[in-house]
Amino acid sequence: DADVTQTPRNRITKTGKRIMLECSQTKGHDRMYWYRQDPGLGLRLIYYSFDVKDINKGEISDGYSVSRQAQAKFSLSLESAIPNQTALYFCATSDSFSGGSKNEQFFGPGTRLTVL
Amino acid sequence: DQQVKQNSPSLSVQEGRISILNCDYTNSMFDYFLWYKKYPAEGPTFLISISSIKDKNEDGRFTVFLNKSAKHLSLHIVPSQPGDSAVYFCAASAPNFGNEKLTFGTGTRLTIIP
Repeated sequence: DADVTQTPRNRITKTGKRIMLECSQTKGHDRMYWYRQDPGLGLRLIYYSFDVKDINKGEISDGYSVSRQAQAKFSLSLESAIPNQTALYFCATSDSFSGGSKNEQFFGPGTRLTVL
Repeated sequence: DQQVKQNSPSLSVQEGRISILNCDYTNSMFDYFLWYKKYPAEGPTFLISISSIKDKNEDGRFTVFLNKSAKHLSLHIVPSQPGDSAVYFCAASAPNFGNEKLTFGTGTRLTIIP
């Protein structure tokens, strides 16, 4: 079973609709992240959460909101989707206590979102 | 302002030869660098990393070199294999009291030609 799962994997929606993307992890990590990938722009951070009660904006948070329902769950919402939010969205996790590779993040398989 | 840059969007290399992927950065506070590999329809996976106190880190066929004075790092893959065909992202982080985040480059698509 995958350690970081994202649902849905693909979604087509219309402008103005509310959309929620969900992320779950079984790695026991405390930190979770949402990124979007656009061609030619790489991965850009939308929101991140270092624990259940900690939510922070990333570099491109406008038009998005998040909820950390539990340590294992982090959801991303688009309150009113617009076409330029069409992108590939990735959830990631990391462990602040691992002592391993510093800030190594583990990614889910991605959600391809199309806003018409 | 792109703090981490990968100026080559794509690279093609013959199987068995060396692949060299490059990454430049502008933020002198970055002290840790990572390379991720991404296959289609999958999330990025961690490949190799290097701390700014080192200039080289090696893991099997993969070696990362860091030139701090030039703010440049490179990933060498020797020998290149068809399974290495993927998009490679460079990422960097700066010290932030345990709250480090990653800044990613735009990626380089590597194609290994059999």
